[in-house]
Amino acid sequence: DAGVIQSPRHEVTEMGQEVTLRCKPISGHDYLFWYRQTMMRGLELLIYFNNNVPIDDSGMPEDRFSAKMPNASFSTLKIQPSEPRDSAVYFCASSLHVINSPLHFGNGTRLTVT
Amino acid sequence: AQSVAQPEDQVNVAEGNPLTVKCTYSVSGNPYLFWYVQYPNRGLQFLLKYITGDNLVKGSYGFEAEFNKSQTSFHLKKPSALVSDSALYFCAVRDGTDYKLSFGAGTTVTVRA
Repeated sequence: DAGVIQSPRHEVTEMGQEVTLRCKPISGHDYLFWYRQTMMRGLELLIYFNNNVPIDDSGMPEDRFSAKMPNASFSTLKIQPSEPRDSAVYFCASSLHVINSPLHFGNGTRLTVT
Repeated sequence: AQSVAQPEDQVNVAEGNPLTVKCTYSVSGNPYLFWYVQYPNRGLQFLLKYITGDNLVKGSYGFEAEFNKSQTSFHLKKPSALVSDSALYFCAVRDGTDYKLSFGAGTTVTVRA
């Protein structure tokens, strides 16, 4: 299995631009999670999906952030407009529909907003 | 509500010595506990988990963790640390009522040769 695949690995953009991060979960996994990692705040859960349906988006910081999962094999996290404080590493993770199943993480997208 | 505390930002040990990384948790129901390791510029890798049963859980790369319900702790241990164990370690908890996984702040482990 190729694992969770995220793209791009690095993204550098200017303030005000739209940014789209992409994720392909492990085939057969029912749950998909988006996390953000920063030195100051550690790992924060932004949103998670079950069977392509958003279950909890309470961690999404602002209306500038949106996430979609149009099908079982693809999800996007969009920031519009981006701001310097959005600079972070964004991780996607997926898991099976079993309460004791661990999350499997992608290698992340390092976002830098200048 | 669920939360995890990792009281030590850094742990330093000599190679060959035992390694312990501390974790305490708070959940409203039964805890599902996990340890992850993160190497530079990589995602988190699953090490081990506790669900129910034996309080001593064995995982990958020689790591084990001890669940203590009375102390609400789940400390990660390795009897003999390697330089290659140097990394960032995260404890995480799920309370069983939903699939949200909450992470601690992480502990940086440095194993010196």
